[in-house]
Amino acid sequence: QAGLTQPPSVSKGLRQTATLTCTGDSNNVGNQGAAWLQQHQGHPPKLLSYRDNNRPSGISERLSASRSGNTASLTITGLQPEDEADYYCSAWDSSLSAWVFGGGTKLTVL
Amino acid sequence: QVQLVQSGAEVKEPGASVKVSCKASGYTFTSYDINWVRQATGQGLEWMGWMNPNSGNTGYAQKFQGRVTMTRDASISTAYMELNSLRSEDTAVYYCARLSLRWGSRAFDIWGQGTMVTVSS
Repeated sequence: QAGLTQPPSVSKGLRQTATLTCTGDSNNVGNQGAAWLQQHQGHPPKLLSYRDNNRPSGISERLSASRSGNTASLTITGLQPEDEADYYCSAWDSSLSAWVFGGGTKLTVL
Repeated sequence: QVQLVQSGAEVKEPGASVKVSCKASGYTFTSYDINWVRQATGQGLEWMGWMNPNSGNTGYAQKFQGRVTMTRDASISTAYMELNSLRSEDTAVYYCARLSLRWGSRAFDIWGQGTMVTVSS
C-alpha cells in the first residue's frame, strides 16, 4: 500500500536548523495531518508530535510541527548531537483504512 | 509508569507460526487500541493492524489479511499478535504501540521494546 514520502537523509551542522518534510495526499496528510516519531538506533520509536504541533509532555520546544496542504514538516532548531536519529511521519489513510508511514529521514548532525 | 512490555526474541522455521505478546501496565488496557508495526533490519516502519482491547474488534493491513491474527486477554492486560506461514521476508522487529487520541488527533504514543523474529531454516 502507498506510503508517505520523506527525503532519505538530511545533514546539518551543530546548532543549525533542520526542516524535515513528509508528503502524502488528500486521503492522509491533507485530511488527517501527520504525527512525527524519532528513532535512535536499536530503540523503539518515540512520539515527538501529534498533528498541528501538539507535543507530548517532555518533548523539547526546539521541535515544531506544521502542515501545508498535503505536506507536513518537522523543524528542529539549535541542533544537538542527540538529535541525530531517524525520523518518521505517520498518518491515517482514509481511503486505505490503514495507517501509513513515511520511509524515514536519517538526520545527521555535523 | 505507562509501558508496554513484549515477549522475547523468537527463531522460527519457514512455514511456522509465531505469537508475540504485549503486556500493558500503568493505564486502563481497554481504553486504547493496540496496533502492531514491524521493521526489517535497516528498513522503515510497516503497519500491520489494530485491535480494540475492549471489544476485540480488529483491522488488518491488506498485505497481512489471512495471515495475521490479533487477540487479547483483558484479564491480564495483554495483547497478542500471531503471524502464520512465516517466510524469510517476515524477519523483523515487531512492535506493539498504543494509539492515543489527544487534541483531536491520533498517534502512537507508547511503544513496546520490540520483539525480534527471525525466520530461518
